[in-house]
Amino acid sequence: DAKTTQPNSMESNEEEPVHLPCNHSTISGTDYIHWYRQLPSQGPEYVIHGLTSNVNNRMASLAIAEDRKSSTLILHRATLRDAAVYYCILRDTGTASKLTFGTGTRLQVTL
Amino acid sequence: NAGVTQTPKFQVLKTGQSMTLQCAQDMNHNSMYWYRQDPGMGLRLIYYSASEGTTDKGEVPNGYNVSRLNKREFSLRLESAAPSQTSVYFCASSRDPPGSGANVLTFGAGSRLTVL
Repeated sequence: DAKTTQPNSMESNEEEPVHLPCNHSTISGTDYIHWYRQLPSQGPEYVIHGLTSNVNNRMASLAIAEDRKSSTLILHRATLRDAAVYYCILRDTGTASKLTFGTGTRLQVTL
Repeated sequence: NAGVTQTPKFQVLKTGQSMTLQCAQDMNHNSMYWYRQDPGMGLRLIYYSASEGTTDKGEVPNGYNVSRLNKREFSLRLESAAPSQTSVYFCASSRDPPGSGANVLTFGAGSRLTVL
């Protein structure tokens, strides 16, 4: 299985940009890169996903390395409400049984 | 839109008791999922249903049964609860099938189950 590696925790100041890294050196050509986040006492929430090109949406940006062995979730201006656990997940076509989330990165945002 | 609704939010059981966790979605999604989350761990897939009338095992199916009652509802049953099943359970749904790489999940708020 292609796996992802994320730092256990990161800290950021409010109003500052945050770059959350994810390594996936064994990614296959058909793996999509997904990011979810989980706020305290809530279910996970979809953030963004991509395959090869960088992606932007209202919540964040996803920067994918040219070799696709790593990616970075970018929160342009962190707020206290962005404090959550962020999960980087690879989704491969046809492997429904491997819809498993790792332990993610716990982001702390301070004033 | 309510999205994905789970009931109950909290439940305490004694070892050996049975119970059913209910899940309903109002987004006309085809696929539904049950996950569990244990302290310090990520989410692990228990069962999923790619479409109405079908169910498949995920990573940790032992001790659970599921029913895809109709397109909206997907229930998870513990026939004989064990302390190892103490966890937070999340239901999710998706428009696209589980095997789609671009598949996006919408989660419920979770059901916290304690088995004594």
